[in-house]
Amino acid sequence: GAVVSQHPSWVICKSGTSVKIECRSLDFQATTMFWYRQFPKQSLMLMATSNEGSKATYEQGVEKDKFLINHASLTLSTLTVTSAHPEDSSFYICSARDGGRLKSYEQYFGPGTRLTVT
Amino acid sequence: AQTVTQSQPEMSVQEAETVTLSCTYDTSESDYYLFWYKQPPSRQMILVIRQEAYKQQNATENRFSVNFQKAAKSFSLKISDSQLGDAAMYFCAYKLGNTPLVFGKGTRLSVIA
Repeated sequence: GAVVSQHPSWVICKSGTSVKIECRSLDFQATTMFWYRQFPKQSLMLMATSNEGSKATYEQGVEKDKFLINHASLTLSTLTVTSAHPEDSSFYICSARDGGRLKSYEQYFGPGTRLTVT
Repeated sequence: AQTVTQSQPEMSVQEAETVTLSCTYDTSESDYYLFWYKQPPSRQMILVIRQEAYKQQNATENRFSVNFQKAAKSFSLKISDSQLGDAAMYFCAYKLGNTPLVFGKGTRLSVIA
C-alpha cells in the first residue's frame, strides 16, 4: 500500500511555455501533499505544502505565481510551472501524507519528474 | 528552524563490510521522528529506517540499524554486510508531527566489489 505516482516521468518544454506535473495517491487519501525540488547532486528542497481543498503554503523564496499548486481532491495534486525558463530545469518530487492512518506522520514519495526547459 | 547535518559527502565500503553514515540534527522539540532514506540512480526515494524519538531502543531493519543518541542529537546509520545494491545517496531526515520532512545534504555511498 501507500503508492504515489507522478506523470510525466520526464518532460521537455520550450522556454516560455507552461508544463503541468500530476501527483496521484493510488491506494490512500492524500490529505497533505508536499512538493520538493532536487537539483543534480543536491538534496531535496521543499517548495510547498498543500492540504486538500486549501491553498498551498509556499516556502520562502518560491514564487507562488510561477509554481502553481492545486490539490483539489484527496488523490490528486498538480504542480504547474508557468512560463518556464531553463533555470527551472530540475527534478520535481511529490510526497503525500495520509492523515487517516495510524502513522499519519509518514510521507510517501512519488518517483519524480525530470523537467528540462530548452 | 530544524536543521539536519550530514558531514560525509561521500563514503565507500568494501562489499560484505560494515559502514556507518553520520547525521546530526538541531531541534528544541522532544517528540519527533528521524528517518534514513535511500535514493538510488532511479531517484525514487526509498525509506530505509525510521526512529521515533520517544523510543529509547535503536531501530533495526535487517542489515540496517541506527545509533540514536537523543541527548547528543545524533542519528547514525549502520549498514552491515554491505551489498552492491546498497550503493546510492543516503539522506537523513527529521520530521516534527505532520510538518514536512527536513533533509540533510546527503551522503553518496559507493560499494566496492
